[in-house]
Amino acid sequence: NAGVTQTPKFQVLKTGQSMTLQCAQDMNHEYMSWYRQDPGMGLRLIHYSVGAGITDQGEVPNGYNVSRSTTEDFPLRLLSAAPSQTSVYFCASRRQGTNTEAFFGQGTRLTVV
Amino acid sequence: AQSVTQLGSHVSVSEGALVLLRCNYSSSVPPYLFWYVQYPNQGLQLLLKYTSAATLVKGINGFEAEFKKSETSFHLTKPSAHMSDAAEYFCAVSERSGGSYIPTFGRGTSLIVHP
Repeated sequence: NAGVTQTPKFQVLKTGQSMTLQCAQDMNHEYMSWYRQDPGMGLRLIHYSVGAGITDQGEVPNGYNVSRSTTEDFPLRLLSAAPSQTSVYFCASRRQGTNTEAFFGQGTRLTVV
Repeated sequence: AQSVTQLGSHVSVSEGALVLLRCNYSSSVPPYLFWYVQYPNQGLQLLLKYTSAATLVKGINGFEAEFKKSETSFHLTKPSAHMSDAAEYFCAVSERSGGSYIPTFGRGTSLIVHP
């Protein structure tokens, strides 16, 4: 059981480039989320989805787009990378409910130069 | 205001000593509370969660947390630290956003264990 799989693990971008971070889960979870982790800031929610075709913004959505065409996949797109987007990105999924646990991918370390 | 507050960005203990990591939550949110652990270069994994069945919650690796409504706290403890406990620990709450409950994380506490 793979759980939550993120690709790539590492990426270096130049300012202005675009790219897509991939996230896939095989647990048939309704909820999927993207977080960024920065030193001293904890995890901040970028975008989330409560099911296929439904997405919403989190705390820090600017500069990122998402879509959810299937239950399994939830890609995160950086439209025009900026140095401020240098971070570690985590995808998470969980079953619907108030206190269900989140399952996390291994993370993508992104550097924008 | 932040829904969960973790006191202390770093906690340093000696191997074998008591571990205490503090988490306070906002009384405006329901107590859907969690503790997660992040080992170096890995994603987060669940340590334990509060389910309202008992105020003292036992988790993996000998950790436990006590829910205290009067103090709006959910502190994480372990009687005897091990070197392998060195990691980042996050307190989290499921917070209502629109029609859904979304996990919101504290800023994390880095646990350092000295030999």
